[in-house]
Amino acid sequence: NAGVTQTPKFRVLKTGQSMTLLCAQDMNHEYMYWYRQDPGMGLRLIHYSVGEGTTAKGEVPDGYNVSRLKKQNFLLGLESAAPSQTSVYFCASRPMDRKNYGYTFGSGTRLTVV
Amino acid sequence: AQKVTQAQTEISVVEKEDVTLDCVYETRDTTYYLFWYKQPPSGELVFLIRRNSFDEQNEISGRYSWNFQKSTSSFNFTITASQVVDSAVYFCALGLANAGGTSYGKLTFGQGTILTVHP
Repeated sequence: NAGVTQTPKFRVLKTGQSMTLLCAQDMNHEYMYWYRQDPGMGLRLIHYSVGEGTTAKGEVPDGYNVSRLKKQNFLLGLESAAPSQTSVYFCASRPMDRKNYGYTFGSGTRLTVV
Repeated sequence: AQKVTQAQTEISVVEKEDVTLDCVYETRDTTYYLFWYKQPPSGELVFLIRRNSFDEQNEISGRYSWNFQKSTSSFNFTITASQVVDSAVYFCALGLANAGGTSYGKLTFGQGTILTVHP
């Protein structure tokens, strides 16, 4: 099925541990985004990418790094996890074409940092 | 900068009641898109509707309807004859057509409205 796949779906980390969240899309979309969702705050943009090999910071980038070595994959890394990074993470992609302006979201990754 | 405000944090209704979820947005761009998403208890984001800034026609889809008014920068969502399955968090979001500048082509979300429909 075409869409955005996030792995893993759930993860528990200890403070200071590192991990990488993987987002993969098979729709040949140019733009990809990582959001975090926290209660009462909606979704906030962490990092985004407008094409292979390019990434940029969003609203809440501190503590995260990203890479987009292949067009279909967008990785979100936590080098040293903190309890404040406990959240639900969503990846999204969209085409550059305005005619098909729409976002496809992954099913989310629930991360708990203890 | 873009902003989306959903003033209602939580709404509780009894089944079969009509309910309206409010959404007010701010942007200086003239070309933009407005969205509503539903997030059921299972957690995924379900796309409900997209409306572009040049199309102020209201839309109806079954029990769902949307009222877009540029004059008041509002894009309200009404559920008619609510059902228990409508219980979810609903997000309104704003996307700019241009990916340049500070918008990054991102979606700006409201804080969400938790809708609970009681049997």
